Amino acid sequence: AQSVTQPDIHITVSEGASLELRCNYSYGATPYLFWYVQSPGQGLQLLLKYFSGDTLVQGIKGFEAEFKRSQSSFNLRKPSVHWSDAAEYFCAVGASDTDKLIFGTGTRLQVFP
Amino acid sequence: DVKVTQSSRYLVKRTGEKVFLECVQDMDHENMFWYRQDPGLGLRLIYFSYDVKMKEKGDIPEGYSVSREKKERFSLILESASTNQTSMYLCASSSLGGGPTYGQFFGPGTRLTVL
Repeated sequence: AQSVTQPDIHITVSEGASLELRCNYSYGATPYLFWYVQSPGQGLQLLLKYFSGDTLVQGIKGFEAEFKRSQSSFNLRKPSVHWSDAAEYFCAVGASDTDKLIFGTGTRLQVFP
Repeated sequence: DVKVTQSSRYLVKRTGEKVFLECVQDMDHENMFWYRQDPGLGLRLIYFSYDVKMKEKGDIPEGYSVSREKKERFSLILESASTNQTSMYLCASSSLGGGPTYGQFFGPGTRLTVL
């Protein structure tokens, strides 16, 4: 069965610092992987996705993520965090035979000035 | 841009009431989803619809039902609301076969409080 683990419930960084949010997945074949962001009181917005090709994918708002098959990971990174990045981030995995996604439990990012 | 709208941002209901949450998408997507979001639990799928009048139970369907009479509209129904259904409810849509590749598109959510 597919599953997604986000080991960090809450992360705090200073504005301007670099950021890495961890995501590990469990899936037998090549997964489809997503990162979503949810600002307070809002729905989820797609940041980036991976389904084939280059394992380093670029997304919106200056985010990137790297797919590492050997580690079953798809970590989200940003070189310099802005206060507006404070939000909750969800990793999700999909499979080619279904339109459903499995979501992780989320990581809440807090940014200090 | 894909637009998914939900009928209410905030809703307060009493225990035992019948509650309707409405979701509309404007991208002619075949798939529509209802999720429940609770702190520490992430998003959990309640129901999924892949076509008009077609539905499939998700991970936590107990206490809920759904209706999809038109392609663009997907309703979540709480037949008799209970306090443990106080939560954030998110609707999403995707094209048939497009979910794995393009992901799902989400509405802004409805925060339901049951007193």
